[in-house]
Amino acid sequence: AQSVTQPDIHITVSEGASLELRCNYSYGATPYLFWYVQSPGQGLQLLLKYFSGDTLVQGIKGFEAEFKRSQSSFNLRKPSVHWSDAAEYFCAVAPRGSSYKLIFGSGTRLLVRP
Amino acid sequence: EPEVTQTPSHQVTQMGQEVILRCVPISNHLYFYWYRQILGQKVEFLVSFYNNEISEKSEIFDDQFSVERPDGSNFTLKIRSTKLEDSAMYFCASSDRGNTDTQYFGPGTRLTVL
Repeated sequence: AQSVTQPDIHITVSEGASLELRCNYSYGATPYLFWYVQSPGQGLQLLLKYFSGDTLVQGIKGFEAEFKRSQSSFNLRKPSVHWSDAAEYFCAVAPRGSSYKLIFGSGTRLLVRP
Repeated sequence: EPEVTQTPSHQVTQMGQEVILRCVPISNHLYFYWYRQILGQKVEFLVSFYNNEISEKSEIFDDQFSVERPDGSNFTLKIRSTKLEDSAMYFCASSDRGNTDTQYFGPGTRLTVL
């Protein structure tokens, strides 16, 4: 079955530390890949996306993600976390082809220690 | 920067009542979507809409749900007879093109069914 897995429900990091949020997908063909962030009371904001080409993609707010086909993963990284990065992060995929729906993972809540 | 807006931000209704959730997508976008997020659960796709018709819907989107673009700017989701399990955050999204393009999300409407 098609699925998106974010194995970490919560992650706590210290401000200034590096961050990696994991995302794995299960699809027949490589889908389009996205990371969204949701701050409290806000909608979902796109951080970055991967369609094709360079497997390391840069996004907003200093985030990057690396697509690894062999591991069916699309992990999100940031070298130095800021307190304002505390939020919920969602990995999402869109099947290639005629379906336009996004399929979301269950999310990872990031807490930042001062 | 253009954004998707949604009204109301919070809707409380009695079970069995009809509700209409409203969205104003980004003005030059052609594809429109509704998603929902039950508290503590994943964001789930409900429906996509293009060229004045539904292009795809999930199994959640049964006969109790309908969508409409009544004029050139609004996009609505109607639930005919609400159930307790319809309580959720409902997100509207829009995109310029289909699944090769970014979906921009509104801030959501929290629906509470009593």
